[in-house]
Amino acid sequence: DIQMTQSPSSLSASVGDRVTITCRASQSITSSLNWYQQKPGKAPNLLIYAASSLQSGVPSRFSGSGSGTDFTLTISSLQPEDFATYYCQQGYSLPRTFGQGTKVEIK
Amino acid sequence: QVQLQQSGPGLVKPSQTLSLTCVISGDSVSSNSAAWNWIRQSPSRGLEWLGRTYYRSKWYNDYAVSVKSRITINPDTSKNQFSLQLNSMTPEDTAMYYCARTSRGYFDFWGQGTLVTVSS
Repeated sequence: DIQMTQSPSSLSASVGDRVTITCRASQSITSSLNWYQQKPGKAPNLLIYAASSLQSGVPSRFSGSGSGTDFTLTISSLQPEDFATYYCQQGYSLPRTFGQGTKVEIK
Repeated sequence: QVQLQQSGPGLVKPSQTLSLTCVISGDSVSSNSAAWNWIRQSPSRGLEWLGRTYYRSKWYNDYAVSVKSRITINPDTSKNQFSLQLNSMTPEDTAMYYCARTSRGYFDFWGQGTLVTVSS
């Protein structure tokens, strides 16, 4: 199985901050990397697919980059509604696997 | 807009079988471009993909090794839904269970989730 490792596990940030979350795969997954946002009591919501493509309806302050084994999710200017947990997921091979999550909290 | 509506019990006794259903609207379980998945989430295991069913001229299933001996995912074309059966439940199977659609490797639509507790 491909292991997905996110860092940091949690972070504190203020509204307006630029936030970066990284995700590393245990082997190359080309650009088959997806990012999700999850709020308490809700299902994960797709933000970015194929490493850098913005899902329809997702604000443009979210962006993704990377290929191979190293990927980044960036929130250019953190908004109050962005405080949540973020997960990466590889779509390269079965079984589909997720990172352990990064919780973004209010500073 | 695709919508997935889950149903099923929230409490299962140890050794019994979990049965959950996911009704699809806005797409077809027989779609040639989508796959229909079950995922669970718990504090100890995080987000864990369990398996999928999909149609590409015939029906296919893929399952996670961790549950392969206990899991069945079935499509029901007459009701446009798919189901999860997980046998021999233990407390370690306590989790939030989600159904989800994949298109090209990403989960773009999710059900609302069903919290399943395994307890006598």
